[in-house]
Amino acid sequence: GENVEQHPSTLSVQEGDSAVIKCTYSDSASNYFPWYKQELGKGPQLIIDIRSNVGEKKDQRIAVTLNKTAKHFSLHITETQPEDSAVYFCAASTGSARQLTFGSGTQLTVLP
Amino acid sequence: SQTIHQWPATLVQPVGSPLSLECTVEGTSNPNLYWYRQAAGRGLQLLFYSVGIGQISSEVPQNLSASRPQDRQFILSSKKLLLSDSGFYLCAWTFAGELFFGEGSRLTVL
Repeated sequence: GENVEQHPSTLSVQEGDSAVIKCTYSDSASNYFPWYKQELGKGPQLIIDIRSNVGEKKDQRIAVTLNKTAKHFSLHITETQPEDSAVYFCAASTGSARQLTFGSGTQLTVLP
Repeated sequence: SQTIHQWPATLVQPVGSPLSLECTVEGTSNPNLYWYRQAAGRGLQLLFYSVGIGQISSEVPQNLSASRPQDRQFILSSKKLLLSDSGFYLCAWTFAGELFFGEGSRLTVL
């Protein structure tokens, strides 16, 4: 089955700097890659996703890039703010949500 | 708009007691519904999913069961809780191919 590895497990950045979280996947048939943000004590929130027919997608300060050849995708957050502090999860799927495989999460801390 | 409600938010139960967590979705019909467990703040593990009333698929063997008595209601149950059942339980649903989570239920088994 699919295996998703996520790095780093923890990341601290200064407010205003950029943060990058990387994930690799094993199944070349995976075609859907969402990212979730989970604040303490809350459920994960879908913040951005990308499908295999595009290489990059942006939404304000957040962007995701996908390299299908290398089988990795990354989340980029620019101009980080304290409210960006949370655990971020990547995931990969070959089709339905039932087939989503999640990474182990990255604790992002934005230092004021 | 579609919303998902999950309760109770927190629950402390003794070992051997029963469990019932409920989840309802509003603003849609015939949704695919899911129960996930998250241990130690990480690692989302799919427990059950349902594509319709009375249709439940289990992803991992465990002490828990799920039921879907109504189209937009999904229930996670146990007859006798174990210490290892402690965790953060998340109900989720899909819309347009995307997975959305509820706010979660924190279960502590003592």
